[in-house]
Amino acid sequence: AQSVTQLGSHVSVSEGALVLLRCNYSSSVPPYLFWYVQYPNQGLQLLLKYTSAATLVKGINGFEAEFKKSETSFHLTKPSAHMSDAAEYFCAVSRTSGTYKYIFGTGTRLKVLA
Amino acid sequence: DTGVSQNPRHKITKRGQNVTFRCDPISEHNRLYWYRQTLGQGPEFLTYFQNEAQLEKSRLLSDRFSAERPKGSFSTLEIQRTEQGDSAMYLCASSFPEQGVIGYTFGSGTRLTVV
Repeated sequence: AQSVTQLGSHVSVSEGALVLLRCNYSSSVPPYLFWYVQYPNQGLQLLLKYTSAATLVKGINGFEAEFKKSETSFHLTKPSAHMSDAAEYFCAVSRTSGTYKYIFGTGTRLKVLA
Repeated sequence: DTGVSQNPRHKITKRGQNVTFRCDPISEHNRLYWYRQTLGQGPEFLTYFQNEAQLEKSRLLSDRFSAERPKGSFSTLEIQRTEQGDSAMYLCASSFPEQGVIGYTFGSGTRLTVV
């Protein structure tokens, strides 16, 4: 079975500050891991993905995430927050074969303070 | 626009009515997924198609729900005898066979409100 835990349903940072959104996963098999962003009343946009290649993954809009197998974590970071980063962020896990269905976390709403 | 298209964007219906949503995936994607997202939660998997074949259904998909993908192109999700608990955002996504390398492309969703 697979599951995802996102610590912190709401995170606030000042503009220009470091963004850190936490994601821990559980999987009985090597997983694929994803971060998606959702703006209000919109679908989800892929930020980045881990597919068993490099453990440090760079995505769009300056975001990156590091896969740490020993900690079963895949935390999302961005060195300097912009106002436009305010959105909801979802971490997801899937198997590496079969249906590739996602198991999503409950999401973290990021607020950026001016 | 070559993205995933979902219609309608919003649907308000009375309890007990039937509703149908449509999803047009990216044309070269043969995998299609439906997810449901309730307020304050992450999306939950409902069902998956590879071409026209429905290969997996979640136990969330009660017998009031049915999904089709005729000819492996667009897909429809029908909810019969809607209940207030069906109020949610219904998301469609599509992908290439090697989804792990690409990731899904999601549509903008259909928001259903049952009154």
